[in-house]
Amino acid sequence: DSGVTQTPKHLITATGQRVTLRCSPRSGDLSVYWYQQSLDQGLQFLIQYYNGEERAKGNILERFSAQQFPDLHSELNLSSLELGDSALYFCASSVEFSGNTIYFGEGSWLTVV
Amino acid sequence: DAKTTQPTSMDCAEGRAANLPCNHSTISGNEYVYWYRQIHSQGPQYIIHGLKNNETNEMASLIITEDRKSSTLILPHATLRDTAVYYCIVRRWGSQGNLIFGKGTKLSVKP
Repeated sequence: DSGVTQTPKHLITATGQRVTLRCSPRSGDLSVYWYQQSLDQGLQFLIQYYNGEERAKGNILERFSAQQFPDLHSELNLSSLELGDSALYFCASSVEFSGNTIYFGEGSWLTVV
Repeated sequence: DAKTTQPTSMDCAEGRAANLPCNHSTISGNEYVYWYRQIHSQGPQYIIHGLKNNETNEMASLIITEDRKSSTLILPHATLRDTAVYYCIVRRWGSQGNLIFGKGTKLSVKP
């Protein structure tokens, strides 16, 4: 158990819909990262927040957005969902800003039908 | 961050040592070597990291060559639960941004 909690574990939704994935980092960690992993792709970095502020952005689509709240939990919002958004979405956290040693949650399986 | 090269796949007999190589010939002096693994569809798990000295923890040992151009992750007594994709990542300590995961090595531990 890494200490990073993600909900929901599984989610099935229709194209065009919007979903929110939630992440609680390890106690004391200030950085939160979101990664996407689909069947034909490796782990793709989406975005990083540090203490409530966006710090790094990867290949995150404009239809996707994230935020980190004062209690340090984070949410990833996915809208206008397409079939290709079906993937495993991981949240990770770290104490430090640089994120060399990061701890991943178990992921949220999103299936778009 | 320096590029790494790993074999696509490896097999190991249960109970034997698993030695996973990683080539990072362009590594610079302030870059560390990190190892993570991902058991099927689970979140990646940090294993170990090192700069130039050999490192050991409860999970594995990391051997870095003297010229630092390659390294080996050693799982001393592999079990079936060690079957996973192992990622070698080279990164400067304190650098901003995200960890970049390549394709890694798929290790299959067989009974």
